[in-house]
Amino acid sequence: AQSVTQLDSHVSVSEGTPVLLRCNYSSSYSPSLFWYVQHPNKGLQLLLKYTSAATLVKGINGFEAEFKKSETSFHLTKPSAHMSDAAEYFCVVSEGNGGATNKLIFGTGTLLAVQP
Amino acid sequence: EPEVTQTPSHQVTQMGQEVILRCVPISNHLYFYWYRQILGQKVEFLVSFYNNEISEKSEIFDDRFSVERPDGSNFTLKIRSTKLEDSAMYFCASRRTGGQAYEQYFGPGTRLTVT
Repeated sequence: AQSVTQLDSHVSVSEGTPVLLRCNYSSSYSPSLFWYVQHPNKGLQLLLKYTSAATLVKGINGFEAEFKKSETSFHLTKPSAHMSDAAEYFCVVSEGNGGATNKLIFGTGTLLAVQP
Repeated sequence: EPEVTQTPSHQVTQMGQEVILRCVPISNHLYFYWYRQILGQKVEFLVSFYNNEISEKSEIFDDRFSVERPDGSNFTLKIRSTKLEDSAMYFCASRRTGGQAYEQYFGPGTRLTVT
């Protein structure tokens, strides 16, 4: 079974400083990995996805993530945090082989706080 | 940009009652999902639906739960005999055809409170 582990439940950064949210995955075959963001009282929005193409994936709002097979990691980064980045971030793996299911397996989430 | 919509945004019901949560997926999507998130916990898969039938369900999706696509646009989750532990945020998601890589688009959620 596939799974993801988010190593930090809370991360706090100052505005303008880099963001690093860590995620490790476990998968028996080549995974599809995603980062979703959830702002307070909002739904889940896709930030970026890895689908076995380029290992460095760029997403919306300046976020990017690098797939490292040797480390089974898919960490999310941003060079400079903005106040609007404060939200909960979920690392997600897609389970399935292209069939009808492809359910998403969510990590426990990392709450990002951005201090002025 | 097309989006998944859900109604109501908040539903309060008494234990033992039936509730129906409604979703309108993106129009050209063919795979549909329900997930839930109990307060303070992670998002959990409930059920996937394709070609008018359930393709997979989790252990949470017991016989009190059912899904239906009653027409060409709506996708509903019905919970009978609700329990206190059903209180959660319920998210609907959809994706288009294709392989594993196609992301799921989520609705804003319905907060269900069972009292």
